[in-house]
Amino acid sequence: AQTVTQSQPEMSVQEAETVTLSCTYDTSENNYYLFWYKQPPSRQMILVIRQEAYKQQNATENRFSVNFQKAAKSFSLKISDSQLGDTAMYFCAFQGGSEKLVFGKGTKLTVNP
Amino acid sequence: DTGVSQDPRHKITKRGQNVTFRCDPISEHNRLYWYRQTLGQGPEFLTYFQNEAQLEKSRLLSDRFSAERPKGSFSTLEIQRTEQGDSAMYLCASSFGPDEQFFGPGTRLTVL
Repeated sequence: AQTVTQSQPEMSVQEAETVTLSCTYDTSENNYYLFWYKQPPSRQMILVIRQEAYKQQNATENRFSVNFQKAAKSFSLKISDSQLGDTAMYFCAFQGGSEKLVFGKGTKLTVNP
Repeated sequence: DTGVSQDPRHKITKRGQNVTFRCDPISEHNRLYWYRQTLGQGPEFLTYFQNEAQLEKSRLLSDRFSAERPKGSFSTLEIQRTEQGDSAMYLCASSFGPDEQFFGPGTRLTVL
C-alpha cells in the first residue's frame, strides 16, 4: 500500500519570504501522479500543483514549484514570495493505478505579516 | 457551473441515528469520490464511482456505510446506526477521467 509522509506538522514564514514543505512517499508503482493540495481555513481543498512521475522536469505554477526526486521518493513544495493568502493546510497526495488519492497528514503553514 | 456542492454542510445527530449526505459533482465529470477527514489528518479515501458503477471501496467503508450514484450524476452517502467515531468531515470530489479531482466544501458530521 502506498503511504505519504509529511514530517512538518506546522511551519511559519514571513510575508515575501520563501518556504519549502517536505513530502516523502512509498510505492512500488512506476507510473503515478503527485499533488499538492491547499485547504484554507474553513474553505474547500484546491489543487496547487501536480507532477507526473514520468516527467523529469519539475512542475511550476507561478510562485509554486516542486522538487521531485523520484529515486528518493521525495516531493517538496516551494512557495516563493509568500503571501498572507497562502496561509492554509497543505496536503501532499499520491495517485497510482487506483484513482484514489492517498494523502499525507498535512502541514499547517502560517504566513506572518 | 459552480463546482462540486455538498448538502448539508453541517449535520448533528445522536448516536444510533441514520444520516444521508448528498454530493452534486461538476456536471461533465464522470468520476465521483468520497473521502473522510478527521481533525488533524489528511483525507482518507472511502469509495469512488465511474458513472453509476461503484469501482472501489475502502476497508474503512464498513457495512454501516453505503454509497450510491443511481444515474451517474449526484451521489448519496448513508451512514446507518451512527457512532461517535463517525464524527468527521465527509468530502466529495469529482473529475473527468483520472485527472485533477475537484473537491466540494464537505459535510461536517457530529455524532453526540
